[in-house]
Amino acid sequence: KAGVTQTPRYLIKTRGQQVTLSCSPISGHRSVSWYQQTPGQGLQFLFEYFSETQRNKGNFPGRFSGRQFSNSRSEMNVSTLELGDSALYLCASSLDVWQPNTEAFFGQGTRLTVV
Amino acid sequence: AQSVTQLDSHVSVSEGTPVLLRCNYSSSYSPSLFWYVQHPNKGLQLLLKYTSAATLVKGINGFEAEFKKSETSFHLTKPSAHMSDAAEYFCVVSGLGNQGGKLIFGQGTELSVKP
Repeated sequence: KAGVTQTPRYLIKTRGQQVTLSCSPISGHRSVSWYQQTPGQGLQFLFEYFSETQRNKGNFPGRFSGRQFSNSRSEMNVSTLELGDSALYLCASSLDVWQPNTEAFFGQGTRLTVV
Repeated sequence: AQSVTQLDSHVSVSEGTPVLLRCNYSSSYSPSLFWYVQHPNKGLQLLLKYTSAATLVKGINGFEAEFKKSETSFHLTKPSAHMSDAAEYFCVVSGLGNQGGKLIFGQGTELSVKP
């Protein structure tokens, strides 16, 4: 079956603009999480969604937002882009609400460059 | 709070020799621990997971890890390195309770394999 699909794969934006990234989870998966990966800060948790509800949020400013649709697809939005938002944004899907045996499957990521 | 520390930022081995990637964790309760691998320009792939069953966990591609509570360690090993093992490896702990869906990543260990 198809894996986690993230679009677009690459994106270049200008400071001050906004951007929307999309994630389609594995078919049947209902939980989606987002992570930001940068050389300096490593991998940091952004959000977790389950059944269209945000369950957890990481320590990021309000410029970072997300949502999940009824088909479990998720989008994240970053407004008023800053140079420091340049990163690889990874989406992970899992079957259900998290339990200790849960496995998260990651997409290949969207590489965002802010110039 | 949950955290993981990867003790080496870079490890270099020769092909056919053993691999040891070190990880220490900090957790208030019995943690769920994972090792993920990331090849260049790829997403993250789960190698193995520990969820309070057997302390010696076998994963894919010949990797295994041993959970040692007394040492708060979860080191990743492989008896014989292959060129295709060159990648970045992340030790991961999950959050507690309803924060379980939040994965907390170590800073990563880059593994180089010399011919």
